[in-house]
Amino acid sequence: GESVGLHLPTLSVQEGDNSIINCAYSNSASDYFIWYKQESGKGPQFIIDIRSNMDKRQGQRVTVLLNKTVKHLSLQIAATQPGDSAVYFCAENRGDKIIFGKGTRLHILP
Amino acid sequence: DAGVIQSPRHEVTEMGQEVTLRCKPISGHDYLFWYRQTMMRGLELLIYFNNNVPIDDSGMPEDRFSAKMPNASFSTLKIQPSEPRDSAVYFCASSWASGGGETQYFGPGTRLLVL
Repeated sequence: GESVGLHLPTLSVQEGDNSIINCAYSNSASDYFIWYKQESGKGPQFIIDIRSNMDKRQGQRVTVLLNKTVKHLSLQIAATQPGDSAVYFCAENRGDKIIFGKGTRLHILP
Repeated sequence: DAGVIQSPRHEVTEMGQEVTLRCKPISGHDYLFWYRQTMMRGLELLIYFNNNVPIDDSGMPEDRFSAKMPNASFSTLKIQPSEPRDSAVYFCASSWASGGGETQYFGPGTRLLVL
């Protein structure tokens, strides 16, 4: 069935390096994607979103790339900091609903 | 604004007991969502309301689960009777517009353990 999923369950990155978290989706009609960050003991928090009429969107230290040809999106975090340690979810907006992927845990190495 | 408020933050109960989770959405938000999060199944949408009316409850696992929204500032999720497999973190979220990820704000969650 249709799904939004992540390539890796865990990603370890050296502090100061860039992090790249990948996500694949299966529905070619999907037109709106969101990245969420969930810190331990908290609810998911919006990071950045992108619509299908764009292939790149930048925020503060974060960039989301969308490749509709291969149905893939990625979240890039520049100069990763200890505070970036969290689980990151890609999610697909379907009308009123948001469908979440399983999540990637980002570990920051000192 | 204090954000989405959920209570209790933690709940431990025995199998067969009734559990009631509470949520206060952000004032002015007209959508309210209930999610369940487990390691195995991730974050699942259970039900959502628009203007206090349930719109889609297709995610509710079974008849033991029920949700109500008697007014714009309060919603409950009830499990009766509870079972060990209901153990999870339950999140409430609210938004002021249809869809739009940036407008959906999550509460801190209720961690439920059913023994």
